[in-house]
Amino acid sequence: EVQLLESGGGLVQPGGSLRLSCAASGFTFSSYAMSWVRQAPGKGLEWVSAISGSGGSTYYADSVKGRFTISRDNSKNTLYLQMNSLRAEDTAVYYCAKDPGGSYYVGAFDIWGQGTMVTVSS
Amino acid sequence: DIQMTQSPSSLSASVGDRVTITCQASQDISNYLNWYQQKPGKAPKLLIYDASNLETGVPSRFSGSGSGTDFTFTISSLQPEDIATYYCQQYDNLPPTFGQGTKVEIK
Repeated sequence: EVQLLESGGGLVQPGGSLRLSCAASGFTFSSYAMSWVRQAPGKGLEWVSAISGSGGSTYYADSVKGRFTISRDNSKNTLYLQMNSLRAEDTAVYYCAKDPGGSYYVGAFDIWGQGTMVTVSS
Repeated sequence: DIQMTQSPSSLSASVGDRVTITCQASQDISNYLNWYQQKPGKAPKLLIYDASNLETGVPSRFSGSGSGTDFTFTISSLQPEDIATYYCQQYDNLPPTFGQGTKVEIK
């Protein structure tokens, strides 16, 4: 069964840092681009970042560029999101999602994790 | 960024009703459009890809159509388990963007 399991969320103060992880199973992880998508409480979906299957190409939303870093460890089947300089407006459930387009980023999402909550507050 | 405008933002319908949601893109996106279902407290689930293709395992009462800038999502016969918020999403251009969502409730 294809599965994504996020972890690492929690409460952090403004200006702080947090690293999210997404453990993948049930498919050849290195063969697929992956993304992070977030959802603020009671709001809609916002794409955050994506990475190619090899990790050689990364993409970011303007709202997080320069503060967040996406990476992956294909030997551990794990996707990461390093979040620095966190702001109140980063408060959201963060989902990792698999791109069905293969190793190259397409921008669609066919499998989603259950999400991990990040709260930025003093 | 490409803006995706969904309508209505919410609707209430009876079991068995036909439900239609529209999504309009701010520019031509060909057929690079997906539809997702999100139930309360759950992750989104892909229902329709490339505007009109049903994802494996999704009931056939769900369908999608359209190309260019105008798209339609239909539930042919609303069931109680279809209570959810539905989102369109374009992936023609970076960044991928979502509509604001349509909340579907049972009357």
